[in-house]
This record gives sequence, C-alpha cells and structure tokens, in this order.
Amino acid sequence: GAGVSQTPSNKVTEKGKYVELRCDPISGHTALYWYRQSLGQGPEFLIYFQGTGAADDSGLPNDRFFAVRPEGSVSTLKIQRTERGDSAVYLCASSSSGGANEQFFGPGTRLTVL
Amino acid sequence: KQEVTQIPAALSVPEGENLVLNCSFTDSAIYNLQWFRQDPGKGLTSLLLIQSSQREQTSGRLNASLDKSSGRSTLYIAASQPGDSATYLCAVYLGGSRLTFGEGTQLTVNP
Repeated sequence: GAGVSQTPSNKVTEKGKYVELRCDPISGHTALYWYRQSLGQGPEFLIYFQGTGAADDSGLPNDRFFAVRPEGSVSTLKIQRTERGDSAVYLCASSSSGGANEQFFGPGTRLTVL
Repeated sequence: KQEVTQIPAALSVPEGENLVLNCSFTDSAIYNLQWFRQDPGKGLTSLLLIQSSQREQTSGRLNASLDKSSGRSTLYIAASQPGDSATYLCAVYLGGSRLTFGEGTQLTVNP
C-alpha cells in the first residue's frame, strides 16, 4: 500500500480482556515502530523491530504487552489482561532501514478499555 | 534522559498571520529532528526532517530551523490558513531506535 495502515481503527474492550492490534508498514520498509499516545501528550516509544526481530523493546510498560513481526512485514501488538490505564491511541510507524531515516506513521488504533 | 518541550501549548491566530512554533531539547547530540502535524483523531503526518548537519529545511509555506548548540528548533508557518489548524509535534532522534516527542502545540487559525 501507499502508506502505513493499522487495524482496527477503534477497539473497545472490557477490563481483563486480550486484544491484538495490527500494523501493515510501507512495502519494503525493514524498520517498524510502535508508540502509544495518551490524550494531550506526545507519542511514547514502545518497541522497535528491524526485520523480524525486536531490536529494542525497552519501552514496553510491563509483561502484559508483547509484539511480533514473524515475516518482517506485518506486526501485531498484543495486550493481555487489559487495564483501564491501557486506553490510548496506539501508533505504528515504519522507515526504510531504521536509524536516522524518516519515520512514517499510520492513522493509529484508539483503544478504550472499559 | 532527553526531554523535548514545545511552547506554546496552544496558539490561536487570525488567518493570514505568520507564526512561529518553538521546540527545545535537552541533549544536543541529536541525529535529526522531525516536525509532524496531527489532525484530531488522526495519525501523524511528517512535515519536515532536519538532519543534524543542516540548519534549516523548507517545504512550501513551512520553514524549520535547527540550532543544535542551543537545543532549539522553530517551525515557521507563513500566511497561515484555517486548514493549518492542527497539533504540531516535534521529535528528536538520538540514535538507537526511538523518536522522543514533545507534547505538541495546538494551533487554531481563525477565518
């Protein structure tokens, strides 16, 4: 596709449930990033993939959060036992090869945990 | 720890006015700085990327400058239009993996 796509655009779930958020990066981009944005704040880094491997997962808040990118393209962010504090917009970005290259963002998934 | 601050937090101007948005960062050892635009309920649109070796970048009515030594960047918008209304975010890249973002400036351009 022409840009980064994310599905679903909105997700409402109940506390304690499991959710998966999907990111489809720009074709050919080897680097993929997940960020989380709370209302009125700038995005905060969660995890960075270079190819299939997580090169930096130091931004994941706790072990309820996990992300995969098994074929080096699409990535899925997984959140177990969701809490109300997980409510935020989850943004995905990709860049051609990581490093100082420009990052291009998707439209985000708005997660609401009731 | 790198901190990025954007001033003002919100700005309202009449159409046609030239305006400046400010971004400051605490660690001057950045590789690049990006300015983004975010419309309500939407993702981020990259506006300008300034490499550490550059002092400014221009795209249409937008001009971004970078002064690494003082830890500052400005985004200049000429002849503002109502369609420029959005939140503007700056982000710095220090190496490794992540961008570090400011909290943004919410701009309203009134017709």
